[in-house]
Amino acid sequence: DAGITQSPRYKITETGRQVTLMCHQTWSHSYMFWYRQDLGHGLRLIYYSAAADITDKGEVPDGYVVSRSKTENFPLTLESATRSQTSVYFCASSELAGLYNEQFFGPGTRLTVL
Amino acid sequence: AQSVTQLDSQVPVFEEAPVELRCNYSSSVSVYLFWYVQYPNQGLQLLLKYLSGSTLVKGINGFEAEFNKSQTSFHLRKPSVHISDTAEYFCAANQAGTALIFGKGTTLSVSS
Repeated sequence: DAGITQSPRYKITETGRQVTLMCHQTWSHSYMFWYRQDLGHGLRLIYYSAAADITDKGEVPDGYVVSRSKTENFPLTLESATRSQTSVYFCASSELAGLYNEQFFGPGTRLTVL
Repeated sequence: AQSVTQLDSQVPVFEEAPVELRCNYSSSVSVYLFWYVQYPNQGLQLLLKYLSGSTLVKGINGFEAEFNKSQTSFHLRKPSVHISDTAEYFCAANQAGTALIFGKGTTLSVSS
């Protein structure tokens, strides 16, 4: 299917476990982003990527790792999950022209860390 | 540092009434502005955007927004809302070469 997909949609894990959230887009957009959404904070940028093998930190990168070996995939890994990482995670992508273009969002992953 | 402030966290309104969702941004240079909508259990989708040109921007679903540089505002309006407009609305801004900064969101609740 065309568009941007995230998996899993829901995940429950325990403190200290490693968790990887997947993001896949079919548009060949250069830019991809990871946000977390928390009540009272809106959306905050975790990491973004301008192209394959190019990533950069956002506002709240601590505790997260990203990679981008292929243009269409941008996985987000929580190396040792903590309760404070319980959140809804959104992946987004945008066209080659840059960050001021429209970002297209995935449906989100609701992560609960017990 | 650039910031986006949505002045109302919740806006309750009756069906067919007009609504305005307020957004202010702080920036000393040219800025690009966006409004996104998030329906329950869904991702965000773009309502409208201001990049340059006319200060009145029309978007989808009958929404419009006006860019006011002197007041650093980008308020979202709709003359007559529907039940289906119930959602979370996010104002966002960025300068060329930086990532989007989102406001904390405004919950629009439309009742009959």
